[in-house]
Amino acid sequence: SQQGEEDPQALSIQEGENATMNCSYKTSINNLQWYRQNSGRGLVHLILIRSNEREKHSGRLRVTLDTSKKSSSLLITASRAADTASYFCATDEGSSNTGKLIFGQGTTLQVKP
Amino acid sequence: KAGVTQTPRYLIKTRGQQVTLSCSPISGHRSVSWYQQTPGQGLQFLFEYFSETQRNKGNFPGRFSGRQFSNSRSEMNVSTLELGDSALYLCASSLGGLYGPGELFFGEGSRLTVL
Repeated sequence: SQQGEEDPQALSIQEGENATMNCSYKTSINNLQWYRQNSGRGLVHLILIRSNEREKHSGRLRVTLDTSKKSSSLLITASRAADTASYFCATDEGSSNTGKLIFGQGTTLQVKP
Repeated sequence: KAGVTQTPRYLIKTRGQQVTLSCSPISGHRSVSWYQQTPGQGLQFLFEYFSETQRNKGNFPGRFSGRQFSNSRSEMNVSTLELGDSALYLCASSLGGLYGPGELFFGEGSRLTVL
């Protein structure tokens, strides 16, 4: 079962614009993570935000977390063509020691040069 | 530091056959997780091993199995392959610990095609 629902499913923007992706989840969590996947490749970890954090930054990435609404957003500022990829949110379902992540269906981002 | 290595990268099998996929985690990582990725179902958790013990298992039939060796390398096996088993199988390693999986480091995956 999918924990996360991501919105939009696909996003197309011009280079230099900002991209915002949203993720909703169903259960309590310890943390929420965002990953990027280039076509047919492995996933790359972008950022982890803990349940007691509301906002986190990493370079051009800004992640927010609203545990009351069970939602998170990923903002990529000043996008580049190299940001073209699929982006996934992942949660741990609140279990402290399982090694299991539940991934959303992902947002496919296309950045046009 | 070498990343997560998965072999083989591509393979083609026929229905009814079995397949074994291998994963070498990052040195020092004791947790290895396996995921199946398909266009229809997305990324689904198969199982996770920590120090040779299976800590968690996803909702997959018994045809899917795995193991972890003392050097943390892991293998997964799918027996009696079905067409629906065609997927990208991703392995991920992490330090593992008491407070959730933390950051996962993924390999490039093994793409399995079942004919």
